Amino acid sequence: DADVTQTPRNRITKTGKRIMLECSQTKGHDRMYWYRQDPGLGLQLIYYSFDVKDINKGEISDGYSVSRQAQAKFSLSLESAIPNQTALYFCATSDHRLAGINEQFFGPGTRLTVL
Amino acid sequence: ILNVEQSPQSLHVQEGDSTNFTCSFPSSNFYALHWYRWETAKSPEALFVMTLNGDEKKKGRISATLNTKEGYSYLYIKGSQPEDSATYLCASGSGGYNKLIFGAGTRLAVHP
Repeated sequence: DADVTQTPRNRITKTGKRIMLECSQTKGHDRMYWYRQDPGLGLQLIYYSFDVKDINKGEISDGYSVSRQAQAKFSLSLESAIPNQTALYFCATSDHRLAGINEQFFGPGTRLTVL
Repeated sequence: ILNVEQSPQSLHVQEGDSTNFTCSFPSSNFYALHWYRWETAKSPEALFVMTLNGDEKKKGRISATLNTKEGYSYLYIKGSQPEDSATYLCASGSGGYNKLIFGAGTRLAVHP
């Protein structure tokens, strides 16, 4: 079984709809991240969390919100989806005990299309 | 804001060729440099994490070097195989914030 899972894997939605992407991990890591990937660009950090209830904005947080109610789960919401949020979304985890190294472990990605 | 650049954007090589690509990053406040391998429809997976200037790491036919003073890292693949086809991402870490800044990646295609 995968250590970091994301649901759904693919989603097509319409402009204005509310969408939630879920991430779960069994690695026991305390740190979790949401990235988006657009063609020709690197992974861009949306939000990150270092522990339950800890939420921090990344470089491109506008239009997104997150929730970290349990250590193993980190959800990303698009309150009112717009077409330029069409992208591949990755969740990742890391262990604070390796903070200086910060190797991250990624989920399989969610491909979101907003029409 | 950190800016991580990778070159080339894409690369096509024949099976058996050796190849290399570059990652450049700001050398100030450097903490760690990561290389990830990302195959289509799969999760990016860490290849190397390097922290020391002059560091060299090797995993099978793949190796990487790090120059923190001038702000670059090279990834080498010796005797490329079709299964090496993937996008190779580098990321610079800022330990104070524990965030990674990713480059856009080098897409490698190895043709039989």
